[in-house]
Amino acid sequence: EPEVTQTPSHQVTQMGQEVILRCVPISNHLYFYWYRQILGQKVEFLVSFYNNEISEKSEIFDDQFSVERPDGSNFTLKIRSTKLEDSAMYFCASSESGAGTDTQYFGPGTRLTVL
Amino acid sequence: KQEVTQIPAALSVPEGENLVLNCSFTDSAIYNLQWFRQDPGKGLTSLLLIQSSQREQTSGRLNASLDKSSGRSTLYIAASQPGDSATYLCAVPHASGGSYIPTFGRGTSLIVHP
Repeated sequence: EPEVTQTPSHQVTQMGQEVILRCVPISNHLYFYWYRQILGQKVEFLVSFYNNEISEKSEIFDDQFSVERPDGSNFTLKIRSTKLEDSAMYFCASSESGAGTDTQYFGPGTRLTVL
Repeated sequence: KQEVTQIPAALSVPEGENLVLNCSFTDSAIYNLQWFRQDPGKGLTSLLLIQSSQREQTSGRLNASLDKSSGRSTLYIAASQPGDSATYLCAVPHASGGSYIPTFGRGTSLIVHP
Protein backbone atom coordinates (compact mmCIF):
# COMPACT_ATOMS: atom_id res chain seq x y z
CA GLU A 1 0.00 0.00 0.00
CA PRO A 2 1.39 3.46 -0.88
CA GLU A 3 2.56 5.52 2.05
CA VAL A 4 4.00 8.90 2.88
CA THR A 5 7.67 8.74 3.86
CA GLN A 6 9.74 11.28 5.79
CA THR A 7 13.46 11.75 6.35
CA PRO A 8 15.27 11.98 8.63
CA SER A 9 13.40 10.26 11.43
CA HIS A 10 15.31 12.32 14.00
CA GLN A 11 17.20 15.58 13.51
CA VAL A 12 19.27 17.28 16.18
CA THR A 13 20.44 20.83 15.53
CA GLN A 14 21.86 23.84 17.29
CA MET A 15 19.74 26.91 17.87
CA GLY A 16 20.05 29.32 14.95
CA GLN A 17 20.87 26.65 12.38
CA GLU A 18 18.79 25.93 9.31
CA VAL A 19 17.10 22.56 8.90
CA ILE A 20 15.31 20.94 5.99
CA LEU A 21 12.78 18.23 6.63
CA ARG A 22 11.93 16.02 3.70
CA CYS A 23 8.78 14.21 2.69
CA VAL A 24 7.77 12.01 -0.22
CA PRO A 25 3.98 12.16 -0.57
CA ILE A 26 1.90 9.42 -2.17
CA SER A 27 2.57 9.62 -5.89
CA ASN A 28 -0.89 10.48 -7.28
CA HIS A 29 -1.73 12.94 -4.51
CA LEU A 30 -2.01 16.62 -5.31
CA TYR A 31 -2.35 18.28 -1.88
CA PHE A 32 0.44 18.34 0.67
CA TYR A 33 0.54 19.44 4.28
CA TRP A 34 2.88 19.97 7.20
CA TYR A 35 1.85 19.65 10.83
CA ARG A 36 3.76 19.77 14.07
CA GLN A 37 3.20 18.24 17.48
CA ILE A 38 5.07 19.62 20.46
CA LEU A 39 5.57 16.93 23.08
CA GLY A 40 2.36 16.41 25.02
CA GLN A 41 0.42 18.90 22.89
CA LYS A 42 -2.11 18.73 20.07
CA VAL A 43 -1.24 18.17 16.46
CA GLU A 44 -1.19 21.63 14.87
CA PHE A 45 -1.57 22.58 11.24
CA LEU A 46 1.31 24.55 9.67
CA VAL A 47 0.73 24.81 5.94
CA SER A 48 -1.03 23.30 2.93
CA PHE A 49 0.38 23.28 -0.60
CA TYR A 50 -1.25 22.74 -3.97
CA ASN A 51 -0.17 23.40 -7.54
CA ASN A 52 3.24 24.65 -6.39
CA GLU A 53 1.73 27.27 -4.13
CA ILE A 54 0.86 27.66 -0.49
CA SER A 55 -2.93 27.46 -0.29
CA GLU A 56 -3.26 28.02 3.45
CA LYS A 57 -0.97 28.63 6.41
CA SER A 58 -1.45 29.02 10.12
CA GLU A 59 -0.15 31.78 12.37
CA ILE A 60 2.64 29.42 13.41
CA PHE A 61 4.00 29.41 9.86
CA ASP A 62 5.93 32.68 10.03
CA ASP A 63 8.81 34.00 7.92
CA GLN A 64 11.29 31.50 9.30
CA PHE A 65 9.37 28.66 7.62
CA SER A 66 9.20 27.85 3.93
CA VAL A 67 8.01 24.92 1.84
CA GLU A 68 9.06 23.73 -1.55
CA ARG A 69 8.39 20.97 -4.03
CA PRO A 70 11.85 20.87 -5.66
CA ASP A 71 11.03 17.98 -8.00
CA GLY A 72 8.15 15.69 -8.85
CA SER A 73 8.37 13.62 -5.70
CA ASN A 74 9.79 15.54 -2.74
CA PHE A 75 8.10 18.09 -0.51
CA THR A 76 10.30 19.95 1.96
CA LEU A 77 9.87 22.13 5.02
CA LYS A 78 12.72 24.52 5.76
CA ILE A 79 13.18 26.23 9.09
CA ARG A 80 15.62 29.08 8.51
CA SER A 81 16.92 29.83 11.99
CA THR A 82 15.77 27.29 14.51
CA LYS A 83 14.65 28.22 18.01
CA LEU A 84 14.37 26.04 21.09
CA GLU A 85 10.58 26.14 20.79
CA ASP A 86 10.74 24.58 17.32
CA SER A 87 11.54 21.25 18.97
CA ALA A 88 8.63 18.99 18.01
CA MET A 89 7.51 16.14 15.81
CA TYR A 90 6.85 17.35 12.29
CA PHE A 91 4.38 15.38 10.20
CA CYS A 92 3.90 15.54 6.48
CA ALA A 93 0.58 14.49 4.95
CA SER A 94 -0.90 14.24 1.49
CA SER A 95 -4.34 13.82 -0.02
CA GLU A 96 -5.62 12.99 -3.46
CA SER A 97 -7.86 16.03 -3.57
CA GLY A 98 -8.47 18.95 -1.27
CA ALA A 99 -12.10 18.02 -0.76
CA GLY A 100 -13.54 18.02 2.73
CA THR A 101 -14.55 14.41 2.17
CA ASP A 102 -11.01 13.28 1.42
CA THR A 103 -8.62 11.49 3.78
CA GLN A 104 -5.18 12.86 4.54
CA TYR A 105 -2.44 10.24 4.82
CA PHE A 106 0.27 11.01 7.33
CA GLY A 107 3.94 10.14 7.33
CA PRO A 108 5.78 8.73 10.37
CA GLY A 109 7.18 12.11 11.34
CA THR A 110 10.56 13.73 11.93
CA ARG A 111 11.50 14.44 15.51
CA LEU A 112 13.35 17.76 15.59
CA THR A 113 15.43 18.56 18.65
CA VAL A 114 16.88 22.06 18.88
CA LEU A 115 19.67 22.47 21.46
CA LYS B 1 -13.13 28.77 15.84
CA GLN B 2 -13.55 25.02 16.09
CA GLU B 3 -12.61 23.45 19.42
CA VAL B 4 -12.25 19.68 19.75
CA THR B 5 -12.28 17.99 23.13
CA GLN B 6 -11.63 14.34 23.90
CA ILE B 7 -12.67 12.52 27.03
CA PRO B 8 -11.21 10.71 28.84
CA ALA B 9 -7.62 11.91 28.49
CA ALA B 10 -6.35 8.49 29.57
CA LEU B 11 -7.81 5.05 30.01
CA SER B 12 -6.35 1.81 31.35
CA VAL B 13 -8.41 -1.36 31.01
CA PRO B 14 -7.95 -5.12 31.13
CA GLU B 15 -7.95 -7.06 27.91
CA GLY B 16 -11.38 -8.00 26.56
CA GLU B 17 -13.29 -4.93 27.69
CA ASN B 18 -15.49 -2.94 25.34
CA LEU B 19 -14.50 0.74 25.29
CA VAL B 20 -16.04 4.07 24.37
CA LEU B 21 -13.90 7.07 23.55
CA ASN B 22 -15.60 10.45 23.26
CA CYS B 23 -14.97 13.43 21.04
CA SER B 24 -16.93 16.68 21.10
CA PHE B 25 -16.69 19.70 18.82
CA THR B 26 -18.09 23.21 19.14
CA ASP B 27 -19.02 24.04 15.53
CA SER B 28 -21.51 21.52 14.13
CA ALA B 29 -21.06 22.72 10.51
CA ILE B 30 -18.54 20.01 9.73
CA TYR B 31 -17.65 18.16 6.51
CA ASN B 32 -16.49 14.99 8.17
CA LEU B 33 -14.85 13.67 11.31
CA GLN B 34 -11.83 11.43 11.35
CA TRP B 35 -10.42 9.13 14.01
CA PHE B 36 -6.70 8.43 14.07
CA ARG B 37 -4.42 6.16 16.01
CA GLN B 38 -0.96 7.33 17.11
CA ASP B 39 1.59 4.92 18.55
CA PRO B 40 4.28 6.45 20.80
CA GLY B 41 6.79 8.46 18.76
CA LYS B 42 5.06 7.52 15.52
CA GLY B 43 2.83 9.10 12.89
CA LEU B 44 -0.93 9.10 12.60
CA THR B 45 -2.84 6.19 11.14
CA SER B 46 -6.34 6.91 9.88
CA LEU B 47 -8.87 4.53 11.41
CA LEU B 48 -12.27 5.78 10.31
CA LEU B 49 -13.64 8.78 8.46
CA ILE B 50 -17.33 9.61 8.87
CA GLN B 51 -18.84 11.97 6.33
CA SER B 52 -21.19 14.64 7.65
CA SER B 53 -24.13 12.85 6.03
CA GLN B 54 -23.36 9.57 7.80
CA ARG B 55 -24.27 8.41 11.30
CA GLU B 56 -21.62 5.75 11.74
CA GLN B 57 -18.76 3.83 10.21
CA THR B 58 -17.41 0.40 11.08
CA SER B 59 -14.06 -1.28 10.55
CA GLY B 60 -13.48 -4.61 12.22
CA ARG B 61 -13.77 -4.15 15.99
CA LEU B 62 -14.07 -0.37 15.63
CA ASN B 63 -17.28 1.55 15.27
CA ALA B 64 -17.47 5.33 15.11
CA SER B 65 -20.70 7.27 15.40
CA LEU B 66 -21.44 10.90 14.64
CA ASP B 67 -24.15 13.18 15.99
CA LYS B 68 -23.64 16.52 14.29
CA SER B 69 -26.47 18.31 16.02
CA SER B 70 -25.04 17.64 19.47
CA GLY B 71 -21.43 18.02 18.33
CA ARG B 72 -20.33 14.56 19.39
CA SER B 73 -18.64 11.46 18.08
CA THR B 74 -17.81 8.23 19.83
CA LEU B 75 -15.31 5.55 18.96
CA TYR B 76 -16.34 2.13 20.20
CA ILE B 77 -13.67 -0.55 20.49
CA ALA B 78 -15.01 -4.06 20.99
CA ALA B 79 -13.11 -6.78 22.83
CA SER B 80 -10.00 -4.67 23.40
CA GLN B 81 -6.54 -6.22 22.98
CA PRO B 82 -3.07 -5.15 24.21
CA GLY B 83 -2.26 -4.24 20.60
CA ASP B 84 -4.94 -1.54 20.79
CA SER B 85 -2.75 0.40 23.23
CA ALA B 86 -2.09 3.79 21.62
CA THR B 87 -3.36 7.37 21.61
CA TYR B 88 -6.61 7.91 19.71
CA LEU B 89 -7.17 11.31 18.12
CA CYS B 90 -10.23 12.77 16.53
CA ALA B 91 -10.03 15.56 13.99
CA VAL B 92 -12.60 17.82 12.38
CA PRO B 93 -11.70 19.76 9.21
CA HIS B 94 -12.82 23.26 8.38
CA ALA B 95 -12.66 24.95 4.99
CA SER B 96 -9.96 27.59 4.75
CA GLY B 97 -8.37 29.12 1.67
CA GLY B 98 -9.28 26.23 -0.62
CA SER B 99 -8.01 23.60 1.81
CA TYR B 100 -9.72 21.59 4.51
CA ILE B 101 -7.69 21.96 7.65
CA PRO B 102 -8.30 19.55 10.51
CA THR B 103 -8.51 20.66 14.11
CA PHE B 104 -7.29 17.89 16.38
CA GLY B 105 -8.26 16.96 19.90
CA ARG B 106 -5.60 16.19 22.50
CA GLY B 107 -6.35 12.50 22.26
CA THR B 108 -7.23 9.65 24.59
CA SER B 109 -4.24 7.60 25.71
CA LEU B 110 -5.35 3.97 25.94
CA ILE B 111 -3.54 1.15 27.69
CA VAL B 112 -4.95 -2.36 27.44
CA HIS B 113 -3.18 -4.70 29.80
CA PRO B 114 -3.17 -8.48 29.48
